[in-house]
Amino acid sequence: GENVEQHPSTLSVQEGDSAVIKCTYSDSASNYFPWYKQELGKRPQLIIDIRSNVGEKKDQRIAVTLNKTAKHFSLHITETQPEDSAVYFCAASGPDSSYKLIFGSGTRLLVRP
Amino acid sequence: DAGVIQSPRHEVTEMGQEVTLRCKPISGHDYLFWYRQTMMRGLELLIYFNNNVPIDDSGMPEDRFSAKMPNASFSTLKIQPSEPRDSAVYFCASSSLPGQGDFGPGTRLTVT
Repeated sequence: GENVEQHPSTLSVQEGDSAVIKCTYSDSASNYFPWYKQELGKRPQLIIDIRSNVGEKKDQRIAVTLNKTAKHFSLHITETQPEDSAVYFCAASGPDSSYKLIFGSGTRLLVRP
Repeated sequence: DAGVIQSPRHEVTEMGQEVTLRCKPISGHDYLFWYRQTMMRGLELLIYFNNNVPIDDSGMPEDRFSAKMPNASFSTLKIQPSEPRDSAVYFCASSSLPGQGDFGPGTRLTVT
């Protein structure tokens, strides 16, 4: 079945530095790739998403890139701030429906002040 | 809009008891999803509905789990009988666009 691998599992950066989280997916039919941020004890919240007809999307300090040939996509956070500390999940739409998401295992990001 | 509403927020029960989790999706969203989150297995999709009809329940772990959506504004996830390994946070999410899901606050279930 569809599989999404996410790396690294933990990431520690100094405030102001950039953070990059990478994901790979297995099903070439996947066409939707969202990223969620989950703070401790809270719900996952959508922060940015990209569809397969786009290679890159940016929203202020966050950006996502997609390489469909290689089946990988990445989240880039620039000028990190302590409030960016959270667990980040990537996801890919399932093989038979873009409504079904398969999640990566998560990356715990720590931004050191 | 109040967002996705889930109840209860916390549930502690003894092994063997029936547990019912409830969800009210965002009005106008015709897709509803039930997820389970644990440290070991991460975020797993259990089942999802479209227009109150179950579309994919391949993630439901076993027959002890069942889900219903009697109308567009209400869904339940039932575990009977519950076991300690069912302890997790259960999220309900709804959407109107492909893939995008607004998550509820979750129900933290502890089975002792």
